[in-house]
Amino acid sequence: EVQLLESGGGLIQPGGSLRLSCAASGFTFSTYAMYWVRQAPEKGLEWVSSFGGRGGGPDYADSVKGRFTISRDDSKNTLYLQMNSLRAEDTALYYCAKGGRDDSNFCYFDYWGQGTLVTVSS
Amino acid sequence: DIVMTQSPDSLAVPLDERATINCRSSQSVLYSSNNKNYLSWYQQKPGQPPKLLIYWASTRESGVPDRFSGSGSGTDFTLTISSLQAEDVAVYYCQQYFSTPTTFGGGTKVEIK
Repeated sequence: EVQLLESGGGLIQPGGSLRLSCAASGFTFSTYAMYWVRQAPEKGLEWVSSFGGRGGGPDYADSVKGRFTISRDDSKNTLYLQMNSLRAEDTALYYCAKGGRDDSNFCYFDYWGQGTLVTVSS
Repeated sequence: DIVMTQSPDSLAVPLDERATINCRSSQSVLYSSNNKNYLSWYQQKPGQPPKLLIYWASTRESGVPDRFSGSGSGTDFTLTISSLQAEDVAVYYCQQYFSTPTTFGGGTKVEIK
């Protein structure tokens, strides 16, 4: 059974930093691209960042480029998101999601975690 | 970026009736080399993460009831719930994964009338 468990969210002041983690199990983690998707309160879904499988690289939404860094540790089956220079508009529930294809980063998301809440406020 | 526009924003349908949600992309998401539409649909119930329903515009994810179906090609797509059930009350999102950044529609809220 595929499981994705996010952690690391919390209340942080503007300009601060947080590191989110996503522990994955139930599939060959290294094979698949992994994603962070966020949802601001009462809003829709926004892709934040992705990291390709099979040695692929990172990609970022323009809204977080230069502030957020995605990484993955395939030996620990864990995805990370280092979030720096946080702004009020980064307040959201952050979901970790698994790519549905093992042959491309251009794919749908077949499994999602429950999310971890990040609140940026003074 | 490809802009995804869903309509309507919300709809209320009687139990056992058909619900239809539309999604339009600002450019084609049909990849000519494999003739696949890079379009998926998700269901999100309150307090839950999104759940994949449909991918490649019309392929139903394993375990999804067959009352859910996807259709369309190019820039215009439809999610149909053939007979609305109480457990289908949710917000539905379309997503294009044809090009980066992947983008989502604004969502359609489905309720029981």
